[in-house]
Amino acid sequence: GAVVSQHPSRVICKSGTSVKIECRSLDFQATTMFWYRQFPKQSLMLMATSNEGSKATYEQGVEKDKFLINHASLTLSTLTVTSAHPEDSSFYICSAILGVGSNQPQHFGDGTRLSIL
Amino acid sequence: GENVEQHPSTLSVQEGDSAVIKCTYSDSASNYFPWYKQELGKRPQLIIDIRSNVGEKKDQRIAVTLNKTAKHFSLHITETQPEDSAVYFCAASLIYNQGGKLIFGQGTELSVKP
Repeated sequence: GAVVSQHPSRVICKSGTSVKIECRSLDFQATTMFWYRQFPKQSLMLMATSNEGSKATYEQGVEKDKFLINHASLTLSTLTVTSAHPEDSSFYICSAILGVGSNQPQHFGDGTRLSIL
Repeated sequence: GENVEQHPSTLSVQEGDSAVIKCTYSDSASNYFPWYKQELGKRPQLIIDIRSNVGEKKDQRIAVTLNKTAKHFSLHITETQPEDSAVYFCAASLIYNQGGKLIFGQGTELSVKP
């Protein structure tokens, strides 16, 4: 089946640090990737939709200048949390689908647990 | 935009019993409804999905039903086992017009007691 790799799995860093998270589709080309944030005991909240070669589409309330998304190739999307603060601590998960309009389901990465001290 | 409501938030059953989780959605144009199982600290895993042109789908002990008129869909797990214990999420998606983005329900924590 389709495999999505996410790296790193865990990050602990000081407040003010910028953190980059990578999401890779290993065995398929993903024109569309999604970034979610999940707080403890809560649901997955969509942050943004990332399309290869174009600007990401952010959900309402998500600061695009704080959560920078780059989808430079068909197999890689990155999320950079800039100047992270303790309230940004969360579980960040990416997912990928084969393409817009595809009937394929989303495949999730293993997630990145971000802890800001 | 789409809004998905999921009930119950917690569900405890005895091993061997059935479990039912229900979701409602608001956007009648949504046409894809997956269910995910998430164990603590791990990725959501797709367990079953249904498209709007189908009313019911079954895969061994798991089944999903969809009522488009009422805009609700349900997950049914029969002969539950302790390893079914996890958090289950429903989701709704408008595949063609919104690039397939998923809107998730709040989740149901299922506990199967041996």
